[in-house]
Amino acid sequence: EDQVTQSPEALRLQEGESSSLNCSYTVSGLRGLFWYRQDPGKGPEFLFTLYSAGEEKEKERLKATLTKKESFLHITAPKPEDSATYLCAVQDNQAGTALIFGKGTTLSVSS
Amino acid sequence: SQTIHQWPATLVQPVGSPLSLECTVEGTSNPNLYWYRQAAGRGLQLLFYSIGIDQISSEVPQNLSASRPQDRQFILSSKKLLLSDSGFYLCAWRTESRDREGPRAPWGYTFGSGTRLTVV
Repeated sequence: EDQVTQSPEALRLQEGESSSLNCSYTVSGLRGLFWYRQDPGKGPEFLFTLYSAGEEKEKERLKATLTKKESFLHITAPKPEDSATYLCAVQDNQAGTALIFGKGTTLSVSS
Repeated sequence: SQTIHQWPATLVQPVGSPLSLECTVEGTSNPNLYWYRQAAGRGLQLLFYSIGIDQISSEVPQNLSASRPQDRQFILSSKKLLLSDSGFYLCAWRTESRDREGPRAPWGYTFGSGTRLTVV
């Protein structure tokens, strides 16, 4: 059964304190791994798509990496505005076109 | 431009009442459309997806149904709501981007702003 597990569930950081969020996945064939940011009461906002192991993508203070079993979202020198829930999702080759989501990591950055 | 609209933003309904949530997309044709539900402490759960008019696939057995009467319209319905139907409902569509990301068909999934449903 396809599964996506994110850790930790919640993370509190001080402004400027870098850290990483983890997303481990089990799929029969990975077609793509997606990272989204979700603010309270809003729909998820697309951040990155990763397709193959070794791939990396960056956007401002965020960097996403992918291995054969997991993905990391690295946050460098976070700011309070980075506070949000970060969702990881995968698309399986054999599961149609829908995304399978993890439960998310809620990040709080205090100044 | 390609946009997705979802309404209403919030809804409070009594148990046993009907439900109708609407999602429309603009700027594309024949999109793949999805309904997800996000309950407290749980990830996004896929409810329905549609690859075309009147083509609906259900992922989870429940008292909800979906319809796609037009190419860019996706409706989530219920005849009688249950307390367990409370949650945050999100519509999404799969966008295809043939651009700088190369030939691997970089699909994007764009979400609507969501509907917060509270069944009382």
